[in-house]
Amino acid sequence: GAVVSQHPSRVICKSGTSVKIECRSLDFQATTMFWYRQFPKQSLMLMATSNEGSKATYEQGVEKDKFLINHASLTLSTLTVTSAHPEDSSFYICSARVETSGYEQYFGPGTRLTVT
Amino acid sequence: GQSLEQPSEVTAVEGAIVQINCTYQTSGFYGLSWYQQHDGGAPTFLSYNALDGLEETGRFSSFLSRSDSYGYLLLQELQMKDSASYFCAVTYMEYGNKLVFGAGTILRVKS
Repeated sequence: GAVVSQHPSRVICKSGTSVKIECRSLDFQATTMFWYRQFPKQSLMLMATSNEGSKATYEQGVEKDKFLINHASLTLSTLTVTSAHPEDSSFYICSARVETSGYEQYFGPGTRLTVT
Repeated sequence: GQSLEQPSEVTAVEGAIVQINCTYQTSGFYGLSWYQQHDGGAPTFLSYNALDGLEETGRFSSFLSRSDSYGYLLLQELQMKDSASYFCAVTYMEYGNKLVFGAGTILRVKS
């Protein structure tokens, strides 16, 4: 089946620093990847849609200058949280769509970000 | 706007059948999906309905009625490992297949 990986799985950083999270599709090519944020006991909130070779499409209320997304290849998308603050601490999950599946998305294992 | 409502928690015993409902106030979506998420894990795909009616996949079935703006996930022969959060989500094809998730239902299976 389609496998999506994320790195790192956990990261702790100091307030004001930047953190990069990688999302890779391991056995398929993904022209579209998605980034979600999930706070404890809450639902997944779509942050942005990442399109290979073009600018990401951000959801309303998500700061594009704070959450930088790059989709440089068909198997890699990165999310950089710039100038992180404690309120950015969350579970960040990416997903990818297999072109031939139409609707199904495959999720990465998530990255737990803690900003101190 | 987009709004999907689910019960916040459901409790059932092993071996039982449980139904998790999802009502929505949105239009123009392509289909309704269901995902399972265990604590600290990634969501995993369970089922999808593009058309009205029932889709069955092993112990799990999902139903959609567009005229009633309603869907449900049916879990049969409950097992302890089914304790998890369950999310309904709508897929918008015209936006690159983006998913919008409901708030999620925590299912607790008791022995």
